[in-house]
Amino acid sequence: QVQLVQSGAEVKKPGASVQVSCKASGYTLTNYGITWVRQAPGQGLEWMGWISAHNGYTNNAQNLQGRVTMTTDTSTNTAHMELRSLRSDDAAVYYCARATAVTGTPFYYFDHWGQGTLVTVSS
Amino acid sequence: SYVLTQPPSVSVAPGQTATVTCGGDNIRSKSVHWYQQKSGQAPVLVVHDDSDRPSGIPERFSGSNVGNTATLTISRVEAGDEADYYCQVWDTSSDHPGVFGSGTKVTVL
Repeated sequence: QVQLVQSGAEVKKPGASVQVSCKASGYTLTNYGITWVRQAPGQGLEWMGWISAHNGYTNNAQNLQGRVTMTTDTSTNTAHMELRSLRSDDAAVYYCARATAVTGTPFYYFDHWGQGTLVTVSS
Repeated sequence: SYVLTQPPSVSVAPGQTATVTCGGDNIRSKSVHWYQQKSGQAPVLVVHDDSDRPSGIPERFSGSNVGNTATLTISRVEAGDEADYYCQVWDTSSDHPGVFGSGTKVTVL
């Protein structure tokens, strides 16, 4: 079955970087995209960006431009998300999810999710 | 960027029907997807492409997209349906294509 397993919780200081990994199993990584979503405490879901595991094309949220990098490693079936210059408002649970296109369209939905990774930002 | 509007909360008695709405400009032209998120858990896809259910999702969950409103309907509500529900679209005309609604808390009385 499809599974996405994320790396463990992180505690970082302001200004540092964090990398979250997302290991996929049960399907061929390159046939789908991976999206990253975060959720601050008590808040809703915030879309961060998307990467095509087929060709590495990325599309990141405007408010994160320049601070976030998304990559995939097809040799290990793993996606990675790095967020730099961390601020207190980056504290959140970070999710990866498989991005599937609606048949015959360029519209994506997220049909399988990782368990989430808590990132704490504190001095 | 595109905006999706959801009511903050909906309350429903067990066995009744819960309706969660999601409004957006010309939303009928987009495919709308719905996620259920129970407290402390990752989201789960319950409806995709307006009205399709993934395998394993009960038939009690259904969706529609008419006019300027997409709707998630939960029939014969159970206590286990209490959760936050988010709608989502992919807006290809924007450089911020992934869009979530603000979420609706469904409370089972």
